[in-house]
Amino acid sequence: SAVISQKPSRDICQRGTSLTIQCQVDSQVTMMFWYRQQPGQSLTLIATANQGSEATYESGFVIDKFPISRPNLTFSTLTVSNMSPEDSSIYLCSVSSGLRNEQYFGPGTRLTVT
Amino acid sequence: RKEVEQDPGPFNVPEGATVAFNCTYSNSASQSFFWYRQDCRKEPKLLMSVYSSGNEDGRFTAQLNRASQYISLLIRDSKLSDSATYLCAVNGDNDMRFGAGTRLTVKP
Repeated sequence: SAVISQKPSRDICQRGTSLTIQCQVDSQVTMMFWYRQQPGQSLTLIATANQGSEATYESGFVIDKFPISRPNLTFSTLTVSNMSPEDSSIYLCSVSSGLRNEQYFGPGTRLTVT
Repeated sequence: RKEVEQDPGPFNVPEGATVAFNCTYSNSASQSFFWYRQDCRKEPKLLMSVYSSGNEDGRFTAQLNRASQYISLLIRDSKLSDSATYLCAVNGDNDMRFGAGTRLTVKP
C-alpha cells in the first residue's frame, strides 16, 4: 500500500484565517480524495482531487471554501478558507490503489478553530 | 436513507467472545466492499476486502450478500487489541462510501 504523509498533523487557528493542508504520497496515484471526520462521526467526502483539472466537489462543499490543488500524481493540497469553529475537524487525504480501488488514508490533520 | 448503514453499537464483549457486525448498502451497482478499522485518534486502516465467495483472515471472516445488499464481519476469539471502530466501505465507480462505524470494546 502507498505511504501517505500529511502536514501539518494538527493546528489551532483563529476564525477568519485559512489553513492549507498538504498530502504527499510515495508513489504516483491517479485518484486522491479529501475527507472530513468530526469526533465520533463518519467520514465525509469533501472532494476528489483530479490531476490536471479542477477538483470534483461533493454536495455541500464548494471550491471557494475548500480550494484544492493537485499539481502532480503524488501531491495535493486542501485549503480551509475563512475558517469558523464549525470547521474544527480532522481532515484526511486518501488515495485509491489496487485492483479493487481500495483506499488508503493519510494520518490526518486535526484542526481546531477558535 | 443513508447509502451505507451500520449499527453504531457500542458492542461491549468479553475476551474470547465472537462478535458480528452487519452493514447494509443502498446502491445495487456497488462493485467492491471493504472493512476498515479505526483506532481512536488515528486514520482508518484497511482490515480486509470482502469477496463474493466470502473470505477469512485468521480470526476475521467477511461475507457479502448481494441479493440482500449487506456485508458482515465476524470476529472470533476477541482480543483486547480488537477494541476499535469498524467501518464498512462500499465502492461503486471509484465512489467509495463509508458507514458511520461500529464501536467495539473488548473487556478482560
